[in-house]
Amino acid sequence: DQQVKQNSPSLSVQEGRISILNCDYTNSMFDYFLWYKKYPAEGPTFLISISSIKDKNEDGRFTVFLNKSAKHLSLHIVPSQPGDSAVYFCAASALIQGAQKLVFGQGTRLTINP
Amino acid sequence: DSGVTQTPKHLITATGQRVTLRCSPRSGDLSVYWYQQSLDQGLQFLIQYYNGEERAKGNILERFSAQQFPDLHSELNLSSLELGDSALYFCASSVASTADTQYFGPGTRLTVL
Repeated sequence: DQQVKQNSPSLSVQEGRISILNCDYTNSMFDYFLWYKKYPAEGPTFLISISSIKDKNEDGRFTVFLNKSAKHLSLHIVPSQPGDSAVYFCAASALIQGAQKLVFGQGTRLTINP
Repeated sequence: DSGVTQTPKHLITATGQRVTLRCSPRSGDLSVYWYQQSLDQGLQFLIQYYNGEERAKGNILERFSAQQFPDLHSELNLSSLELGDSALYFCASSVASTADTQYFGPGTRLTVL
């Protein structure tokens, strides 16, 4: 049972344009959502997060949108740069029995073309 | 650099063997998490320790075990290894057991032949 889904395994975007990565979740107990970026041969790096009480969080070129009613979140990168090429994981967090459980999606490989 | 260190970087072993993966959390972080990433899969949560005690368990096999030591470093022990255990194993740390943001190490790539 995949509680967090990233339905697009890959995405290709022209440099300078907007990249939009999507993520859907099923468990309404999730109350915090994160995006991680992963380069080959490295661990995931925290990028941006959003609490369930908000619908938008912005940090420079990165903006995360949360639609709780649709159980959907998205990451917008604008403008996209070649260095943004990586695998992006969305993750959803819930406090269960005193422990923070983080559930990851399968990842989306973003390629920025010059 | 996240501040989380993992050793070794690569490990190649045979089926039936036992290996130990090591993780040192970021300075000040009390919580350590272990994840497994198999080929083309997302990260699967295995287990969490907080200040030396097991806090949460995920999809961890009975052949696998972990512990967190008084100096807060953690070890993940994998025994009776099978071909399907080949994967990337990541350790992450956070300040508290309820902290939302986890910081990941570079991972250990385990290959079972």
